Amino acid sequence: AQSVAQPEDQVNVAEGNPLTVKCTYSVSGNPYLFWYVQYPNRGLQFLLKYITGDNLVKGSYGFEAEFNKSQTSFHLKKPSALVSDSALYFCAVRDLMDTGRRALTFGSGTRLQVQP
Amino acid sequence: GAGVSQSPSNKVTEKGKDVELRCDPISGHTALYWYRQRLGQGLEFLIYFQGNSAPDKSGLPSDRFSAERTGESVSTLTIQRTQQEDSAVYLCASSFIGQYNEQFFGPGTRLTVL
Repeated sequence: AQSVAQPEDQVNVAEGNPLTVKCTYSVSGNPYLFWYVQYPNRGLQFLLKYITGDNLVKGSYGFEAEFNKSQTSFHLKKPSALVSDSALYFCAVRDLMDTGRRALTFGSGTRLQVQP
Repeated sequence: GAGVSQSPSNKVTEKGKDVELRCDPISGHTALYWYRQRLGQGLEFLIYFQGNSAPDKSGLPSDRFSAERTGESVSTLTIQRTQQEDSAVYLCASSFIGQYNEQFFGPGTRLTVL
């Protein structure tokens, strides 16, 4: 079974400050990890993914995520937040050992609020 | 290029009625997924289509839910005898074949059952 936890319902940060949105996962095999962002009344937009290789993954809009196998975490980060980053962020995982299941398991989402 | 499109964008129905939701995937994407997003919650997987293979229906919550896909194009999600707990945003996604390919999502259909 695969699962994802996003422990924070909301993260507040001031514009220009660094931001972190937390995600931890549980899989039986190796994880395939994603971050998606959802703006109001819009579908989910892909930000970045991790399969293998460098633990620091760079994605769209200046976001990056750090894969930590020992802590089973995949936290989303950005060095300097913008007001326009305010949105709902979802972490998702697929267990690469479960070849029969292609669907992603999503976390419950974290609302990021960036104050001017 | 065109992304995933869904229709209608909003649907209000009365309890007990049937509804059909449509998804047009990105051209060339052989994989298609349906998810449900209840208010304030994450996405729940419903069903997955891959080419001519048997669909993965493991996420469908009850036999009132069904989905079809015409070849590698349009998909329709049908909910029969709708209940108030079916109220949610229904999201469709598509991707290329290959286990490392990310899914691209449509804007969703917001279903409200009165």
